Amino acid sequence: GQQVMQIPQYQHVQEGEDFTTYCNSSTTLSNIQWYKQRPGGHPVFLIQLVKSGEVKKQKRLTFQFGEAKKNSSLHITATQTTDVGTYFCAVGGSQGNLIFGKGTKLSVKP
Amino acid sequence: DGGITQSPKYLFRKEGQNVTLSCEQNLNHDAMYWYRQDPGQGLRLIYYSQIVNDFQKGDIAEGYSVSREKKESFPLTVTSAQKNPTAFYLCARKRSAGGDTQYFGPGTRLTVL
Repeated sequence: GQQVMQIPQYQHVQEGEDFTTYCNSSTTLSNIQWYKQRPGGHPVFLIQLVKSGEVKKQKRLTFQFGEAKKNSSLHITATQTTDVGTYFCAVGGSQGNLIFGKGTKLSVKP
Repeated sequence: DGGITQSPKYLFRKEGQNVTLSCEQNLNHDAMYWYRQDPGQGLRLIYYSQIVNDFQKGDIAEGYSVSREKKESFPLTVTSAQKNPTAFYLCARKRSAGGDTQYFGPGTRLTVL
């Protein structure tokens, strides 16, 4: 079935450093979504990418969708302690559900 | 609350007991989903429902049951047949069965003693 691989599993950064997480699929995707889950919380939708080569920005967050629509990345510039959490990519499954990557857990040292 | 609530937030049960987790949404959305999350893992689909009085098994339905008698409610029962029920359970809503964004409830953390 559909799978999406996400790396790295963990990332520890000093506050102010940049952070990037990557998602890869063996098949072409119609779209990809990104979610953030704070410690003890639930996943919260961040963005959806649909077009080949699409780049979207939300303040310090930059989301990219690959030209072949098989990979995506989330980049955070100058991390802050409020960025702490686990970032998931997700793709649509055949049952109308979402198929999640395993997530990248970001910790930020002040 | 994002239009979807789950209760209780924390739940403890003894081995061998069934327990029901509540999920309610007030946005008149058609589709609802139950996911399970284990530490260090992504979310895995348990059951989903795209319309009232209809639901389908997801990838890990064994040991679970659901009902969808009302559009706003989609309770999940964790039965004694579920071998490893301790986990974080998340319910989600979606406006339709199509490719819309899913919005999650706050989750229920179930611990089996």
